[in-house]
Amino acid sequence: DSGVTQTPKHLITATGQRVTLRCSPRSGDLSVYWYQQSLDQGLQFLIQYYNGEERAKGNILERFSAQQFPDLHSELNLSSLELGDSALYFCASSVGGSPGLVISSEQYFGPGTRLTVT
Amino acid sequence: AQSVTQLGSHVSVSEGALVLLRCNYSSSVPPYLFWYVQYPNQGLQLLLKYTSAATLVKGINGFEAEFKKSETSFHLTKPSAHMSDAAEYFCAVLGGGSQGNLIFGKGTKLSVKP
Repeated sequence: DSGVTQTPKHLITATGQRVTLRCSPRSGDLSVYWYQQSLDQGLQFLIQYYNGEERAKGNILERFSAQQFPDLHSELNLSSLELGDSALYFCASSVGGSPGLVISSEQYFGPGTRLTVT
Repeated sequence: AQSVTQLGSHVSVSEGALVLLRCNYSSSVPPYLFWYVQYPNQGLQLLLKYTSAATLVKGINGFEAEFKKSETSFHLTKPSAHMSDAAEYFCAVLGGGSQGNLIFGKGTKLSVKP
């Protein structure tokens, strides 16, 4: 058990809908990262938050957004869903991640949310 | 830009045989490198990490990896495979500059035959 929790485990929804994935980082970790894992794209970084602020953006679509709350949990919002958004979505957390510093701390991954868009 | 390449999408070994999973990196700065393992229907678990302290890094479950700058490699090895090692293994490099995200290879699926 990594200490990172994600809900829900599975989500089945229709095209055009909107869903919210939730992540609670390990106790004491300030950074949260979201990754998408799909068969064709592999593991891709979406977005990082550090202590409530957006820190880095990866291949995140405009239809997707995220935020990190004062209690440090994070939510990933996916809207206008398409069939191609079906994937495993992972959240990871780390101690480090503050702006301007090289990060060397490892990231701990949650069990993921499997999203199926029909 | 940082990147990693994993050679071989599928590796099959017999139980008790040597496990060798290959990873080559590309980085404009000294890299921070990681190996993660993913068991079916589970998240990723950190096996080991290289952060320039020592070139031979020991991880969990008997795995180790050696950083070779001259070969830009960070191959993962285990002397004797167990059936329980069957999983997918991912090599990753930390994003450059002040970015903290991981950049993953495409993964290598390890099968272990009895």
